[in-house]
Amino acid sequence: DSGVTQTPKHLITATGQRVTLRCSPRSGDLSVYWYQQSLDQGLQFLIQYYNGEERAKGNILERFSAQQFPDLHSELNLSSLELGDSALYFCASSVAGTSGETQYFGPGTRLLVL
Amino acid sequence: AQKITQTQPGMFVQEKEAVTLDCTYDTSDPSYGLFWYKQPSSGEMIFLIYQGSYDQQNATEGRYSLNFQKARKSANLVISASQLGDSAMYFCAMREGLLGQGGSEKLVFGKGMKLTVNP
Repeated sequence: DSGVTQTPKHLITATGQRVTLRCSPRSGDLSVYWYQQSLDQGLQFLIQYYNGEERAKGNILERFSAQQFPDLHSELNLSSLELGDSALYFCASSVAGTSGETQYFGPGTRLLVL
Repeated sequence: AQKITQTQPGMFVQEKEAVTLDCTYDTSDPSYGLFWYKQPSSGEMIFLIYQGSYDQQNATEGRYSLNFQKARKSANLVISASQLGDSAMYFCAMREGLLGQGGSEKLVFGKGMKLTVNP
């Protein structure tokens, strides 16, 4: 158990819908990262938050957004869902983003868009 | 060019034998970190081992060791005494640059390789 929690574990929804994925980082970790794992794209970095502020952006679609709240939990919002958004979405956390720091991953949310 | 290359799509090993999983990387930054993660069939990503580009010695964590050859840009994972529970996908990942000096905190992953341990 990494200490990172993600809910829900599974999500099935329809095209055009909007969903919210939730992540609670390890106790004391200030940085939260979101990754998407799909069969065709592999594991891709989406976005990072550090202590409530956006720190880095990767290949995140405009239909996707995220935020980190004062209690440090984070939410990833996916809207106007398409079939291709079906993937495993991971949240990871690290203490403060210093060099050499390990990112610990949550169990993931498996999203299926029908 | 791919940043992280894992060319072995799959490997089979007998229980209790050692196995080496290959990873080569591409970066022009002198400061970087290399990570290995394990993903069992249940889906979670489990951190195994880390190697910094300036580390003088190869990293070890229990049965895991990292064969770091900087000049060849390779960071192979060695698992000694394989166990049935080692059957999983294994991912090599890299973070480039020094944080606070333009470096990125994101991890770039290879495509992974599947290890199957046979009894």
